[in-house]
Amino acid sequence: GAGVSQSPRYKVAKRGQDVALRCDPISGHVSLFWYQQALGQGPEFLTYFQNEAQLDKSGLPSDRFFAERPEGSVSTLKIQRTQQEDSAVYLCASSPLGDTQYFGPGTRLTVL
Amino acid sequence: TQLLEQSPQFLSIQEGENLTVYCNSSSVFSSLQWYRQEPGEGPVLLVTVVTGGEVKKLKRLTFQFGDARKDSSLHITAAQPGDTGLYLCAGGTNSGYALNFGKGTSLLVTP
Repeated sequence: GAGVSQSPRYKVAKRGQDVALRCDPISGHVSLFWYQQALGQGPEFLTYFQNEAQLDKSGLPSDRFFAERPEGSVSTLKIQRTQQEDSAVYLCASSPLGDTQYFGPGTRLTVL
Repeated sequence: TQLLEQSPQFLSIQEGENLTVYCNSSSVFSSLQWYRQEPGEGPVLLVTVVTGGEVKKLKRLTFQFGDARKDSSLHITAAQPGDTGLYLCAGGTNSGYALNFGKGTSLLVTP
């Protein structure tokens, strides 16, 4: 069966550009998470969805970050007016409710 | 802010050696997970421990959860080049569902 997929795998943006990162979770998984992994660090929690409801966005670093999951399946993480400190790998994970999180391969964002 | 401290940060050993990596925190976790992450990939779950004092074995890997559920260790016996990767510990808390990750231990096993 297909795992979590993310696109694009790599994204280069000029400072100030907006970017959109997509996550396709495992079919039927209720929970979806976004994490940010800076170079040499472990992943840090950004936001959590249960179906289409965004239950926790406490980890989003600023109001330039926005995530949605309108139909309870695919999710998009949008970053407006990107800055160099946004450069990182963005990981998406999905899980059946309250169970093991399965991670996608991540999107590596580089902001020049 | 990462609540879990992992040590060592880097480890380079030869095939056949044994090693232990540590994951420590001042916080109590309801569960603790160990992941392995390879370059360009997302973390892959190795094991979840939930009971204080619990020991789990996965082939040559032995995982232990501290009695107070604040720390854990991963021991690898007779390391192989295929064990190379970034080992991450992550804690789950009763108050939330997000995982708190350590910075990881980067392991290199050379033939």
